[in-house]
Amino acid sequence: GAVVSQHPSWVICKSGTSVKIECRSLDFQATTMFWYRQFPKQSLMLMATSNEGSKATYEQGVEKDKFLINHASLTLSTLTVTSAHPEDSSFYICSARNPVASKEYFGPGTRLTVL
Amino acid sequence: GENVEQHPSTLSVQEGDSAVIKCTYSDSASNYFPWYKQELGKRPQLIIDIRSNVGEKKDQRIAVTLNKTAKHFSLHITETQPEDSAVYFCAASIGPGANNLFFGTGTRLTVIP
Repeated sequence: GAVVSQHPSWVICKSGTSVKIECRSLDFQATTMFWYRQFPKQSLMLMATSNEGSKATYEQGVEKDKFLINHASLTLSTLTVTSAHPEDSSFYICSARNPVASKEYFGPGTRLTVL
Repeated sequence: GENVEQHPSTLSVQEGDSAVIKCTYSDSASNYFPWYKQELGKRPQLIIDIRSNVGEKKDQRIAVTLNKTAKHFSLHITETQPEDSAVYFCAASIGPGANNLFFGTGTRLTVIP
């Protein structure tokens, strides 16, 4: 199996608040999860690689203090957008690497709108 | 790092015709090449992948070819149907393991009934 869930599917928040997004692998253990951001009609932009039990590795230009990632278990990674601003509005998608199949499966995404 | 280029950015075909999307990569160490289909507002779905120890892989109407020497790989969809309309992304990585995927810019395929 290769089911990845993501919650919430959409969220609207006020500027300055923090938003937490959860990514779960439901039927396999994922030592590695990835967080992407996708703007309309554009490709997936990798934000960070999340490894279970260790600090996330952030891509260049991604503020680690703004996008907090926690990967506390083999089935759960969270992305917290802190002090969100309108420019953070986007579609955030996680993916989980199935180590047995060596394939990457995506969650359904979270549409964040910051007012 | 790896650089993946994808062409064309948009593609329209008549129902029943074939569609071909091409990608090139820069890092000769890349050895895993998946293709994802993404419908509007939904998650990317893995539709087929190929590893560098094979040159071609087929799954019903979908096939992928890989030319390691030229560092390019292609997605072929035969007998296209309207439900094939979506955005397709190619990707490359140095897998397996924790290495991330490098994505192409996507191809918006429209199948005209």
